[in-house]
Formats: sequence, C-alpha cells, structure tokens
Amino acid sequence: ENVLPQSPTTMAASPGEKVTITCHASSSGLNMNWHQQKSGTSPKLWIYDTSKLASGVPDRFSGSGSGTSYSLTINTMETEDAATYYCQQCCSTPPITFGSGTKLEIK
Amino acid sequence: EVKLVESGGGLVQPGRSLKLSCTASGFSFNYYWMGWVRQAPGKGLEWIGEINQDSSSIKYTPSLKDKFTISRDNAQNTLYLQMSKLGSEDTAIYYCVREIFGVDYWGQGVMVTVSS
Repeated sequence: ENVLPQSPTTMAASPGEKVTITCHASSSGLNMNWHQQKSGTSPKLWIYDTSKLASGVPDRFSGSGSGTSYSLTINTMETEDAATYYCQQCCSTPPITFGSGTKLEIK
Repeated sequence: EVKLVESGGGLVQPGRSLKLSCTASGFSFNYYWMGWVRQAPGKGLEWIGEINQDSSSIKYTPSLKDKFTISRDNAQNTLYLQMSKLGSEDTAIYYCVREIFGVDYWGQGVMVTVSS
C-alpha cells in the first residue's frame, strides 16, 4: 500500500504553541499538498504546491520542504486548528498518494 | 461555488456490485481530471483512481484496479464509480474529488457498508 510516512502520528499542543508536522515523500521533485480534516467532515485542501495557502487558511499556517522532506507548521496553535492533517503527493506512480495522517489535539 | 455531491451509497451484501455517482456544479466539469478517494472507518485516506477530461486516460491504484471502474458523462456533469465483488474491506466513506496537481476539492462523501 502506498502511504507516505508522517510524524508524529498524534500530538497535543497548547494554545499559542508552535506545531510542526512532517511528511516523507516517496520521490523528490513532486508536488506536495496538505489537507485538513475535522471529525465527521470531509477533508479540505489546506496547503498546495508545498507552501501556498488555500483560500481562507489563516496565515499562522505555513508549508515548506524540498526533496523528499516536507512540513506543515502552525506558528501559534489555536483551538480551531485541532484536526487531522494529511500530506498528499502528486504526480508520480500512482498519481496521488496520501500520508498516514497526523491527529492534532488541543492540550 | 464548487460543489461535488455523491450518491448511491448504502448497505450492500458481500460479493455484490454498487455504482456511485457524483454530480458536479460550480465549475466547468469537462475541463478537469476527476477522481475518487475512500476512507475506511477510523482510518486514513486512500486514493482509488482518476479519469481525464475526455475519458481517454483512466488510472487506478494498483491494488484496486480489478475491482473498480471509473467513468464520466460530461453532458451530465457526472462522475461514476462502479464497484464489483465487494467485501467487508470496502466498507468506507467514498469521496468524489476534483484534481489539479492533486486534490483541490472534495465532496461531502457517501457511506458504503458491505455486510450480510
């Protein structure tokens, strides 16, 4: 099964804390996106093309990375940021691969 | 506003088939690759496959290509997922997605439960 490793699997952060989630791509030079999923709802595109914020995403979020290592960072954690975050790689074989997910909880 | 609305889910017996539909609105459907993603209860996201604008290119994740068939009707702005020989491992929420360098929009999802 093609699943990109993410770390950590779960974590809890206090309001105001800085949070970093990492994802290991299967190949370098590919497009990396991030999706946010809150409990009971469908995912939403959150960050695209490694570092671009999707419409409506607060600027406390940022994305970075190159080669096979990518990350999503929340500069100052807020309650509403509690969710599961999935990285998503495009465009290799198979064309789309998701990460294993990181569940972020508020402490 | 981009909207993707799935339908056709429900309870199905093991070994049977089921066809899901996804009706798109708010964008030019025939301009985009479209795909399906599923999520088993309490699990992560699994990409099933995708179809290009004129249905000339259809790709699947290797482990599912013999079980699922993706098609589309651009005149009806509708995407389909034909599922066959269903087993309990196929119990999941199935999401219709729009693709451009990955997934950019998700439907609300439809639940498929495989059980006798």
